[in-house]
This record gives sequence, structure tokens and C-alpha cells, in this order.
Amino acid sequence: QSALTQPASVSGSPGQSITISCTGTSSDIGGYKYVSWYQQDPGKAPKLMIFDVDNRPSGVSNRFSGSKSGNTASLTISGLQAEDESHYYCSSFTSSNTVLFGGGTKLTIL
Amino acid sequence: QVQLQESGPGLVKPSQTLSLVCTVSGDSISSGRYFWSWIRQSADKGLEWIGRLYSSGSTHYNPSLMSRVTISGDTSKNQISLRLTSVTAADTAMYYCARDWGGTSIFDLWGQGTLVTVS
Repeated sequence: QSALTQPASVSGSPGQSITISCTGTSSDIGGYKYVSWYQQDPGKAPKLMIFDVDNRPSGVSNRFSGSKSGNTASLTISGLQAEDESHYYCSSFTSSNTVLFGGGTKLTIL
Repeated sequence: QVQLQESGPGLVKPSQTLSLVCTVSGDSISSGRYFWSWIRQSADKGLEWIGRLYSSGSTHYNPSLMSRVTISGDTSKNQISLRLTSVTAADTAMYYCARDWGGTSIFDLWGQGTLVTVS
């Protein structure tokens, strides 16, 4: 099983919106509504930001949203803030009853 | 407030067995509300799911590690254990335990992680 594909880096200015893509196959992202997104700051554990493609856990800002089309999932962050600068990882349930993660995307706020 | 805390040796010699423990406080690992997973993170491979423990005591593993990994639970101590045999430098990573909500890639609570170096 290969890792899900994410861009290595994205950037945006405060107030703008950015989208991070996560591409898999029909055996993972394309086959299920089980995509999650995590934010990870340096030296910290990942934090759940989105689950089941487009659901936010309690306490996560509504500036974070998720979507999916075919084998590609996306995380959109609107109204970028300096505190959003971090690494973001996607994950998906797979047909083998396992979990795959993406390689991670570093978000830089310009 | 539920907390997860990983512990174990930070240095393991090649070919030996890596053994870690995750102590859960504030919730019971046998309650049936959640599963419990081990996940590791290295610079080379990024985040990698290792396997999960179900409340029934059964397990499911990443096929790439299945031949070397064992995850078990101790309900008396409310702990989840990880054993990885025949380790190599490729197993050097930060190891996390995480609360696994439904076994569908929802890890809503993580420990702080423990760094294991194989050398």
C-alpha cells in the first residue's frame, strides 16, 4: 500500500483561502467516506481537524472544511491566519481494513 | 479528561525487540466505545499506521508489519502494549498511541509520542 499523495508545500497570505489535495485510489479515498485531516505543529502530536470527509470535531474552527471528488480529497482553509501555519496530513480507511496516511503538506503563511 | 501516555526504552539495538506501553487515563480500554491504535512517524516514511486493538481484545495490523508486530491490552492496568521484533534502523521513529474512533481513520486523541532509536 502506497501513501496517499499530497503536495509537499502550499502557501497563502493572511485572509486568503488555500486548498490541500490528497490523492488515493478507489481502494481507499474513492471507495469510502472515511477521510480525515490532521494538523501537526513541530514537536507535537497530530490533531484531528476533519473526519468522514467533511465533518469538524467540536472546537475546530469553521474556517476548516473538507470535501472529496472521486479518488481525491481536499482540505480548504479560509481566512488564513498566522496560527494556521503547520503541517497537514490526510488519512483514509482502506479496503484492507487498514489506514493510509498522506505524506504531509507544509502550509506557509506569507 | 482522557489522556494517553506512551513509555518505553528510547534506544533499541538492531535485531532486538521494541516494547512500548500506552497508559490510558480517564477512559477504559475495554469500554467498547473506542478502539486503540499505534502509529509511528519517521522522516523517511511519514505517518504509518501500525495496527489497532479492539475492545474485544482482537487486533488488526498493517500488512507491511504484520509478521513482526503484536498489540495487546491489559485491562487491569488500562494499558495497550506494542511489540515489534527484529528491528532495524528503518524502525527508528516517533511512536504514538491514539484513540481510534470506529476503526475508520478517525484518531481523535493522541499521546505525546515516544522517540525510539534503533542503533
